[in-house]
Amino acid sequence: RKEVEQDPGPFNVPEGATVAFNCTYSNSASQSFFWYRQDCRKEPKLLMSVYSSGNEDGRFTAQLNRASQYISLLIRDSKLSDSATYLCSGYGNNRLAFGKGNQVVVIP
Amino acid sequence: GAGVSQTPSNKVTEKGKYVELRCDPISGHTALYWYRQSLGQGPEFLIYFQGTGAADDSGLPNDRFFAVRPEGSVSTLKIQRTERGDSAVYLCASSPGVARYNEQFFGPGTRLTVL
Repeated sequence: RKEVEQDPGPFNVPEGATVAFNCTYSNSASQSFFWYRQDCRKEPKLLMSVYSSGNEDGRFTAQLNRASQYISLLIRDSKLSDSATYLCSGYGNNRLAFGKGNQVVVIP
Repeated sequence: GAGVSQTPSNKVTEKGKYVELRCDPISGHTALYWYRQSLGQGPEFLIYFQGTGAADDSGLPNDRFFAVRPEGSVSTLKIQRTERGDSAVYLCASSPGVARYNEQFFGPGTRLTVL
């Protein structure tokens, strides 16, 4: 079993809609979590950090549930420019462990 | 300011050849990481350096892979006797330190193709 699991999708989202993904992790020693955005053939760029219960930045909200070992990402009022792959990662043992990513396609 | 840079951006080689991939981290970042990303997968950890020493190389797939960071800045990932299965994007990331809140900044990657 991989350390971080994500449903790769793709997720087709109407413009203006709200979309949410869950990411589960198996390493209970993971200390912090990060959502990265990755555009096609580009490097991952940090979207949000989650150290305690959650974090919010504009249209994006991340929640951490340590008891159930999952992290969620919510995107409100989706824009066409939100189309990308969203990588969930957990930091532990001095490295990041990534999921496969959630591929999001926002449709006009 | 300047981000993480990696060279070359693309490398095509033949099976059995030796390749070197270079990473220039953000100035002042003491932690440097190498990851490998295959198509449809997330990045997978290879090795990380704290300063000049390899603090954890447990992600290197086998002894054909080796990495150095002799002066605590630039790092080189070396792959001997390349195989077709080594084809992937090799990503380098740097961080101010290894504390859990330190964001890792990724370079653009080197796309390695082994024919």
